[in-house]
Amino acid sequence: DVKVTQSSRYLVKRTGEKVFLECVQDMDHENMFWYRQDPGLGLRLIYFSYDVKMKEKGDIPEGYSVSREKKERFSLILESASTNQTSMYLCASGTVETQYFGPGTRLLVL
Amino acid sequence: AQRVTQPEKLLSVFKGAPVELKCNYSYSGSPELFWYVQYSRQRLQLLLRHISRESIKGFTADLNKGETSFHLKKPFAQEEDSAMYYCALSVSGYSTLTFGKGTMLLVSP
Repeated sequence: DVKVTQSSRYLVKRTGEKVFLECVQDMDHENMFWYRQDPGLGLRLIYFSYDVKMKEKGDIPEGYSVSREKKERFSLILESASTNQTSMYLCASGTVETQYFGPGTRLLVL
Repeated sequence: AQRVTQPEKLLSVFKGAPVELKCNYSYSGSPELFWYVQYSRQRLQLLLRHISRESIKGFTADLNKGETSFHLKKPFAQEEDSAMYYCALSVSGYSTLTFGKGTMLLVSP
């Protein structure tokens, strides 16, 4: 059974803080993805990675960066959190077509 | 660029009624289409893909290239079908899925 875990279910941060969201998968997948999920906007891709140390921008990369130092781990970094980054963040791994999602991290930026 | 449109934000039906969640796409080539589902307090997961031509939990979806649609259908809705449904598209040569904005299905007793 594929397991994708995210480091936190809920986070509360202050404006300007640097925020790290961690994602780990145990299926040796090469592809990993970070999305944000907002009501009425659906899923929007922030960044993805198809190999260690490789990363590609998605549709909304502004204000975010990522790190993939090991195959199983893909980190999303908010360099300076802002209130408009309050959202549900979903990590996924797998093939492009069949993605396995983590439980999500609900981030509140005050 | 490709696009996926789900025209309904919310679809509310009674138990036992037929349900159809609409999905239209824009892409001139041959895409692969998928439906993902997220039940309350559960992870987003793949429900079905058009190339499999399978029925999952009583749901089916047919790719209509002429109408560029991939509507999700079930003849008799159940309360446990209540969830958020996302239509998604994959295009050869692209490394990502394009998701629609989602439709919340509410099935009332």
